[in-house]
Amino acid sequence: DSGVTQTPKHLITATGQRVTLRCSPRSGDLSVYWYQQSLDQGLQFLIQYYNGEERAKGNILERFSAQQFPDLHSELNLSSLELGDSALYFCASSVEGARGDYTFGSGTRLTVV
Amino acid sequence: GQNIDQPTEMTATEGAIVQINCTYQTSGFNGLFWYQQHAGEAPTFLSYNVLDGLEEKGRFSSFLSRSKGYSYLLLKELQMKDSASYLCAVRSYNTDKLIFGTGTRLQVFP
Repeated sequence: DSGVTQTPKHLITATGQRVTLRCSPRSGDLSVYWYQQSLDQGLQFLIQYYNGEERAKGNILERFSAQQFPDLHSELNLSSLELGDSALYFCASSVEGARGDYTFGSGTRLTVV
Repeated sequence: GQNIDQPTEMTATEGAIVQINCTYQTSGFNGLFWYQQHAGEAPTFLSYNVLDGLEEKGRFSSFLSRSKGYSYLLLKELQMKDSASYLCAVRSYNTDKLIFGTGTRLQVFP
């Protein structure tokens, strides 16, 4: 157990639907990062939150949104889902400025049918 | 922006040594990371370099040259379980976000 918890582990949904992915960071970590990994692709940075505030944005689609709550857990909302959104979605957490201490959750595998 | 390049695939023999290269172009560099990822699993941290030189950690070593925008990961005494993807990532100075290369898939044969 890495200390970063992601739920659910698997999600199958239909095109056009909306889903919410949840991430609880490791205790003490203030930063949360979301990544998308399509089949045989690298990790694409989506968005970063630090202590409840958006810190950085990557190539995140307008149909996607995220937030970090006061208890530091984060949710990634994906709407109007398309087949191409099928991917592994990883959450990572870190203490700001940490030396190599980015810990990943086990991911949520989203399948859009 | 940031651009990170790694070879797509490499093969090696059990017991051998393999070097995986990574070149990067970035503004605001604040460290280079190597992660290992088995298929369908979470990436796990291997090494970190922020200053030039070699960092050694058991069978794994990583080297960084900031002036050349170049790093490599050296794996010694390869084992079958080392078959995985190896991801090079650069940390942004302003935000601490990690930007990953596409990864190098390493296959180790007996």
